[in-house]
Amino acid sequence: QVLLQESGPGLVKPSGTLSLTCAVSGGSISSSNWWTWVRQPPGKGLEWIGEIYHSGSTDYSPSLKSRVTMSVDKSKNQFSLKLTSVTAADTAVYYCASIHGGVFDLWGQGTVVTVSS
Amino acid sequence: DIQMTQSPSSLSASVGDRVTITCRASQSIGNYLNWYQQKPGKAPKVLIFAASSLQSGVPSRFSGSGSGTDFTLTISSLQPEDFATYCCQQSYGIPRTFGQGTKVEI
Repeated sequence: QVLLQESGPGLVKPSGTLSLTCAVSGGSISSSNWWTWVRQPPGKGLEWIGEIYHSGSTDYSPSLKSRVTMSVDKSKNQFSLKLTSVTAADTAVYYCASIHGGVFDLWGQGTVVTVSS
Repeated sequence: DIQMTQSPSSLSASVGDRVTITCRASQSIGNYLNWYQQKPGKAPKVLIFAASSLQSGVPSRFSGSGSGTDFTLTISSLQPEDFATYCCQQSYGIPRTFGQGTKVEI
């Protein structure tokens, strides 16, 4: 059974960089899935941030593209998200997930990130 | 971007009720439409993929229909554990987009 677990700081200062990692266990990150980040601001809906394949190919949300970088570390079986120049609007629960055939089929439990000084 | 619009944004229902939630895409997406259930403090869980295919392990009271721009999620007989938020997601193109969610309340 594949499990995903997010980790990273829960508090980031305005104008700083949000960095999160998603550890994949029970399966290989080099499988046929794409690996993705989704966020959910308090009381709001889900927002796709972007996704990465194990080869390093990426697709990012146009609205976040200038601030987002995703990477894969095959040796650690994990993938990561960096979001720069954060503001209060980036406060959200951040989920990592896998995409198979366009379906977000497996999700991490989510991690709360608050942007505040 | 393909915009996904759900209606209603919330609804009140009782155990045993038949519930229908609608999702409309801003352009035709074929059957590239998935439905998720999300409970408070939990990650979403896929219920239906490809508009009408039931994900393994999901109760048969959930069903999906539609194609093109208009889609429906139906719960045939609402159970206590079904009170949650439901959202649709198009897998037709990038960027991937979700509906804003429909909260099913007692």
